[in-house]
Amino acid sequence: QITLKESGPTLVKPTQTLTLTCTFSRFSLSASGVGVGWIRQPPGKALEWLALIYWDDDKRYSPSLKSRLTITKDTSKNQVVLTMTNMDPVDTGTYYCAHALIVGVPYWFAPWGQGTLVTVSS
Amino acid sequence: DIQMTQSPSTLSASVGDRVTITCRASQSIGSWLAWYQQKPGKAPKLLIYKASSLESGVPSRFSGSGSGTEFTLTISSLQPDDFATYYCQHSETFGQGTKVEIK
Repeated sequence: QITLKESGPTLVKPTQTLTLTCTFSRFSLSASGVGVGWIRQPPGKALEWLALIYWDDDKRYSPSLKSRLTITKDTSKNQVVLTMTNMDPVDTGTYYCAHALIVGVPYWFAPWGQGTLVTVSS
Repeated sequence: DIQMTQSPSTLSASVGDRVTITCRASQSIGSWLAWYQQKPGKAPKLLIYKASSLESGVPSRFSGSGSGTEFTLTISSLQPDDFATYYCQHSETFGQGTKVEIK
């Protein structure tokens, strides 16, 4: 079955850049209708969509975070990388990557990775 | 931007109860709505997609309905494993979540 796993630092300092890698298996990010998204969740709060990369390398970003985010894919390595610049303590939370099923414009996520907790603190 | 509003924020119920959660979109989204279940410390799990399609492996006590701007997730008979937080989603927008807790 499809699996995804996030990796990256657990602690970053304010103003630093966060780089997270999503390593997946059992699907191809070259296949039409497939994407990988990043979603985060501050402790005790709701899910927040961050970014999505499509099979054709199209990319979408959260409007409120667009200036800080970059999403890329390496199809040969089955990896998607998210970078977030100028980290702040409010960016603390669990970061998830997820496989996206894209039907034209709408999409949904299944399955999700286990998530990785990132703490921003000096 | 489309906003998704869930109600209630918290719901207290007993095992065996029929439970309904509502999600409203700020503009019509057709049937393009998904529902997720999240348990503490775990990743969300897809339950329903395209408003009413049950994801493979999800118990049949879960059902979804609605179109346009109003959608519902129904659990026909609440089981102990169902106490969790539920989120609706339309593409890049998630609802704020509904926590189903034990009464």
